[in-house]
This record gives sequence, structure tokens and C-alpha cells, in this order.
Amino acid sequence: SQQGEEDPQALSIQEGENATMNCSYKTSINNLQWYRQNSGRGLVHLILIRSNEREKHSGRLRVTLDTSKKSSSLLITASRAADTASYFCATALTGANSKLTFGKGITLSVRP
Amino acid sequence: DTAVSQTPKYLVTQMGNDKSIKCEQNLGHDTMYWYKQDSKKFLKIMFSYNNKELIINETVPNRFSPKSPDKAHLNLHINSLELGDSAVYFCASSQDTGTYNEQYFGPGTRLTVT
Repeated sequence: SQQGEEDPQALSIQEGENATMNCSYKTSINNLQWYRQNSGRGLVHLILIRSNEREKHSGRLRVTLDTSKKSSSLLITASRAADTASYFCATALTGANSKLTFGKGITLSVRP
Repeated sequence: DTAVSQTPKYLVTQMGNDKSIKCEQNLGHDTMYWYKQDSKKFLKIMFSYNNKELIINETVPNRFSPKSPDKAHLNLHINSLELGDSAVYFCASSQDTGTYNEQYFGPGTRLTVT
């Protein structure tokens, strides 16, 4: 079964609002990564958080990781229309080489 | 300059045909991957090569055969195409097989089997 499951499946917000997306996983991980996919394009890496980290920031992105609950959240602050995309979490298991297991993704729509 | 490129971008073919998708990366990475993304956007790894050697081979029909002539190229050949093979196929690369590496994705090849 899938390792990562994102929630909600779709999110629609107004420009300027914050967007919070959640990811849950089933087994112990080495790290968790978030990727963005614009329509008709390939995935772009956003941020990686290691299993011993609890929070990480990159520009308007904030990622948290709670290994006890096996969950992560991605917060995009002050959203822009250009943030409209699908967002995926991907988990890397310990000792699994570089294999990533992706969730089904969250479709974010930011209304101008 | 494009980091990970794939050709063709679109591929429309009939059931039973054989087709290939090519992938090249100019990042100097050692590891390359093929993923399949279905119509519900579920992305699943198919294969991974490290320095021309196969390291990940998920449960994929043996009609799919990857080939890596050198570490900058990873091609995907598909025999006897079926309707269920319709999907977007992504090539990706990473620096090596380390678990902390981010992956760089190509633009995808949309395969439609009729």
C-alpha cells in the first residue's frame, strides 16, 4: 500500500491566504520530501526534512514533521496565483537507497 | 539548459506496438529513474539505475525494459503496448543513491495507447 497520503485532496484559497497541506505515512522514514508539479510539467523538489528534524523553512514554505504521529505538513504563506499546482509528499525509507514513495498529491488552486 | 530531458513529449500509438522513450540528464548525476503517473496523478517508481547498473526494479511487466548506455542516459522500451500503459512517464535523476538526495524530474512523456 502507499506510504504517503496527502490531505486534503484539493484545496482552493484566495491569493494572500495561507495554504496548509498534510501528509501521513505508515512506516519509519529516513526523510520526507515535498515536491510541486505544475500542470503538464515534471515535479520540482521544494524541501527535504530529515527524520530527526521537526521543522524546516524555505522562503514562504514551512514544513513540519511529527514522527510519533507519522505525519508532515507543508505550509505556504501569503499564497500567490503562481502557487497553483499539485503538491506531493514523498518518503524515503531507511536503507532503501534513494527510492522515494510518493503520495497521490494535493491540488492547490489559488484564486487571484 | 534543460537538466533532465525526455523525448518524445507526446506519444500516441496503437495496442500491440513497440515504442521507446529516451531520457538524458546533463547534471552529472549517477542515478536515474523511471516513474509512471496514472490519470489520478499517482506517481509510482518503475526502475532505477546507478551508474548504468539496475538497482530498483519494481513489479513492472517484463514488456518494459530499461536500458542505460551510459550514466547520463536511461531509455525505456515498451513492447506489445496495452491500453493500461497509457500514462505520463517521467524520468528523473539524483546525484547518487544516497537517501538525502533530491530528485530532478524531466518534463514527462504522455503515452496514449489506442
